[in-house]
Amino acid sequence: EPEVTQTPSHQVTQMGQEVILRCVPISNHLYFYWYRQILGQKVEFLVSFYNNEISEKSEIFDDQFSVERPDGSNFTLKIRSTKLEDSAMYFCASSEWHTDTEAFFGQGTRLTVV
Amino acid sequence: QKEVEQDPGPLSVPEGAIVSLNCTYSNSAFQYFMWYRQYSRKGPELLMYTYSSGNKEDGRFTAQVDKSSKYISLFIRDSQPSDSATYLCAMRGGSYIPTFGRGTSLIVHP
Repeated sequence: EPEVTQTPSHQVTQMGQEVILRCVPISNHLYFYWYRQILGQKVEFLVSFYNNEISEKSEIFDDQFSVERPDGSNFTLKIRSTKLEDSAMYFCASSEWHTDTEAFFGQGTRLTVV
Repeated sequence: QKEVEQDPGPLSVPEGAIVSLNCTYSNSAFQYFMWYRQYSRKGPELLMYTYSSGNKEDGRFTAQVDKSSKYISLFIRDSQPSDSATYLCAMRGGSYIPTFGRGTSLIVHP
């Protein structure tokens, strides 16, 4: 069964450092998403991406964040200068169409900022 | 008032019980309502998707939306230990930006 793969599963970084979270979406999917979940809190939408452009983004997705599809298989989330409050589980998802009914989530990357 | 409220639980039930999970919301613009299941250390998995008011059934799962009361429910019949997970409600309006509840932890014991 096809699945969304995220690496690494856990990343520890120092405050102020740049971090890149990686995702390999399902191969025929065209729409890509990032969500985050701070420990004990709700899942929050960050951004959706299609055709090499951001489709929607939330208020959380400020200038510290960027997304990129550097090649035909990877989808990345970059946080430029990490803060303690960026510590969270980050989920990537992908879908064939622009619909939440078909989005498949990865297992997540736990980011810890120290 | 929070946009989406969901009791975190935990909700503990015996195997075979009917489970009722609920969310309330305040934004009347929400039209699309989703329920996700999230196992420990995994990403959310979509279970049910409903547009506007009404009921939708899929196997042992039934989703209900009451827009007049701003209240949604997920019922699980004949609950199994494998149903033990966190259940997230999510909803959105015309944009594709969903708002999630905090999730309810469900434990089904044999």
